[in-house]
Amino acid sequence: DGGITQSPKYLFRKEGQNVTLSCEQNLNHDAMYWYRQDPGQGLRLIYYSQIVNDFQKGDIAEGYSVSREKKESFPLTVTSAQKNPTAFYLCASTPGGGTDTQYFGPGTRLTVL
Amino acid sequence: GENVEQHPSTLSVQEGDSAVIKCTYSDSASNYFPWYKQELGKGPQLIIDIRSNVGEKKDQRIAVTLNKTAKHFSLHITETQPEDSAVYFCAASNRPGGGNKLTFGTGTQLKVEL
Repeated sequence: DGGITQSPKYLFRKEGQNVTLSCEQNLNHDAMYWYRQDPGQGLRLIYYSQIVNDFQKGDIAEGYSVSREKKESFPLTVTSAQKNPTAFYLCASTPGGGTDTQYFGPGTRLTVL
Repeated sequence: GENVEQHPSTLSVQEGDSAVIKCTYSDSASNYFPWYKQELGKGPQLIIDIRSNVGEKKDQRIAVTLNKTAKHFSLHITETQPEDSAVYFCAASNRPGGGNKLTFGTGTQLKVEL
């Protein structure tokens, strides 16, 4: 069963704690992306990675960090510096090699109490 | 950077009618325009996409048109069904040097009424 998995589906954290969201893909895709979605809004790009051990900031990177140590994994850490961390987080991947289509995971809803 | 505007924000149609969602983009270098459908609590799913060298693309009940001169593109759904009810997002991308960063519209909540 191939695809993009994100875990957990729901996550609760206390204010001031760092939290790491998981994103794994077994599609052999080169590029991976993290988006944030707030109610009634579009998706906003946080970070993206085109190859292993390399990543770039998106439009709203402040308060977030990522790593890309393996091709299939792109975890996102929401740090205590992120002022409004409560949101729906979506991971996506692209095959690369000239293919633009992004495929999305099921998302993780983070609630900071 | 790219800016994508999407209208309307909500759309109600009767089952069997057509639905049209429109988007405009600002960067004339954008060359890839996907449309996504998102059901409640789930990730977006690609339903159709179009590239700048094509003016129209059709897939069964869904079609997308692109007007490069006016910098707008539209999603057309014919013979709507209740299962078409969802949030639809348009997006634009200029891949060269941009790492395929998609800029999304703010979404359209489509409701198909019986």
